[in-house]
Amino acid sequence: AQTVTQSQPEMSVQEAETVTLSCTYDTSESDYYLFWYKQPPSRQMILVIRQEAYKQQNATENRFSVNFQKAAKSFSLKISDSQLGDAAMYFCARETGANNLFFGTGTRLTVIP
Amino acid sequence: EAQVTQNPRYLITVTGKKLTVTCSQNMNHEYMSWYRQDPGLGLRQIYYSMNVEVTDKGDVPEGYKVSRKEKRNFPLILESPSPNQTSLYFCASRGGPVGGYTFGSGTRLTVV
Repeated sequence: AQTVTQSQPEMSVQEAETVTLSCTYDTSESDYYLFWYKQPPSRQMILVIRQEAYKQQNATENRFSVNFQKAAKSFSLKISDSQLGDAAMYFCARETGANNLFFGTGTRLTVIP
Repeated sequence: EAQVTQNPRYLITVTGKKLTVTCSQNMNHEYMSWYRQDPGLGLRQIYYSMNVEVTDKGDVPEGYKVSRKEKRNFPLILESPSPNQTSLYFCASRGGPVGGYTFGSGTRLTVV
């Protein structure tokens, strides 16, 4: 089954604190890409970070980093030093060999001033 | 500027009235796809296209049609819209082995 699971429908974090969003997925493929997308109220889909499954090193983009556990099929997103502009819906997604993206159901992140 | 352009941004229509949502990309990408986004369900793929004249069904193709007559355009057609097709629609394209996906700005469709 091509499933991506985000078990946290909503999360909140204090400004300047750190928050981790969870994602697990199912696949029989050995090589694939994983993504986190941010969707602010403008509804634009913005790529936050990308991880290639064959790479052991966890991807990092400024304040955003992932904890990729391939054997456990887990791909969590850590946001450090949270800012008000980080408030958004976050989607985890996995790309199949046919270049199709499967998305999770999303986690709505609230940042508390 | 590299982009995916969707039109219209908002659309309200009545049940049964055929409509087309256009999607165009200027990046010469071979792969394009359509998604619908519904609360609590995330984004689900409707159709995708690996290249010109090559299209295939995604997870929720019922009630939709697509065509890919030229590389840059990938319109989504609703022959007889129904209220359950009220949703937020996204077009996306992808380029290259390490290329990411570029999404359009979305089309909010309401069928009454």
